[in-house]
Amino acid sequence: QKEVEQNSGPLSVPEGAIASLNCTYSDRGSQSFFWYRQYSGKSPELIMSIYSNGDKEDGRFTAQLNKASQYVSLLIRDSQPSDSATYLCAVNQVQGAQKLVFGQGTRLTINP
Amino acid sequence: DAGVIQSPRHEVTEMGQEVTLRCKPISGHNSLFWYRQTMMRGLELLIYFNNNVPIDDSGMPEDRFSAKMPNASFSTLKIQPSEPRDSAVYFCASSFRASGIWYEQFFGPGTRLTVL
Repeated sequence: QKEVEQNSGPLSVPEGAIASLNCTYSDRGSQSFFWYRQYSGKSPELIMSIYSNGDKEDGRFTAQLNKASQYVSLLIRDSQPSDSATYLCAVNQVQGAQKLVFGQGTRLTINP
Repeated sequence: DAGVIQSPRHEVTEMGQEVTLRCKPISGHNSLFWYRQTMMRGLELLIYFNNNVPIDDSGMPEDRFSAKMPNASFSTLKIQPSEPRDSAVYFCASSFRASGIWYEQFFGPGTRLTVL
């Protein structure tokens, strides 16, 4: 089992709809969870961090964390074409070498 | 804050040459990371430092790669000799870690390396 798993997509969503991105992780002791957005040819840009169970909202973005089920998700409301990018989930690993582990990313396309 | 600074932004070199990539982390951050990204392999962690000390270099491909962090505000990643398969985008990132908690990690703009 991969440490952090994401559906690679592509995920296609119509403009104005809700885009839902999911991520599962294997390390039960993980405490820090992040979502990054990466446009083609650019560096990953942090858009959300979450540290405790539940929802965290920031503008059109909502991160959801469920430690019991070991998943973290990102919802994007009122999707815009500018949201089209690859979204990377990152989770801290506490077992073994403690580091941040990234998923392979989900490519999201918002269709006008 | 200027964010994470990397130089050069682009590097084109010939096989066998030495390449040095540079990074200045965000002031106050105590952890620094070097990543490599390719289409085939995605984002790979090469090495990371905590308080200037290398903690995990298991991602360094081979002895041709080396990294140093002589002080809290500067790090280098060196490839000697370079090979065409080293062509990739190399990112530096920095973060703050305390009491076992990793806080937000911020990426630099990256160095696009092409080895001919």
